[in-house]
Amino acid sequence: QKEVEQNSGPLSVPEGAIASLNCTYSDRGSQSFFWYRQYSGKSPELIMFIYSNGDKEDGRFTAQLNKASQYVSLLIRDSQPSDSATYLCAVKGPGTASKLTFGTGTRLQVTL
Amino acid sequence: DAGITQSPRHKVTETGTPVTLRCHQTENHRYMYWYRQDPGHGLRLIHYSYGVKDTDKGEVSDGYSVSRSKTEDFLLTLESATSSQTSVYFCAIRGTERADTQYFGPGTRLTVL
Repeated sequence: QKEVEQNSGPLSVPEGAIASLNCTYSDRGSQSFFWYRQYSGKSPELIMFIYSNGDKEDGRFTAQLNKASQYVSLLIRDSQPSDSATYLCAVKGPGTASKLTFGTGTRLQVTL
Repeated sequence: DAGITQSPRHKVTETGTPVTLRCHQTENHRYMYWYRQDPGHGLRLIHYSYGVKDTDKGEVSDGYSVSRSKTEDFLLTLESATSSQTSVYFCAIRGTERADTQYFGPGTRLTVL
């Protein structure tokens, strides 16, 4: 069974600090990796995606992928209270239908 | 928001009644998906569609059917709702800027009593 694992949290970081969110996956055939942010009562919002090993940066967000270790992470620099949300890791396996498998999410709390 | 709307946004129904949820998109996306989200399970794929009249099952398809008679509409039907189908249902489309990305609608909160 294809699995995506995340620590449920909450992960608490002070304002201005770096938040590090982690995700592991079981299917070695996985091709693409996504991070979604979900505020309470709202729908998931895509914030990052990564396809190749290494780092990908977009503003305060950096996604890191290590396919050998089956590990993907999201770093949020200069964390703000508005970053407080649940972060969902999603993984796309092989095939053309783009079906995603989601982790259960990590709740991030940025404290003042 | 990728031009996705879902209706109704909230629904309360009774066990055994049929329920249809609608997903509507305005940007001619070929692929559409239905997910449910439950505490402790995350988002799970119910069914997806890759074109008009072309659909396939996802991870948790039992008790659900779908139809897509027009590109813009993807319907999810619970033939006989059960309490285990109480959930938040999200529709998603596959984006065009990069084939793998998915964008979600606002969701429908369904309660089956």
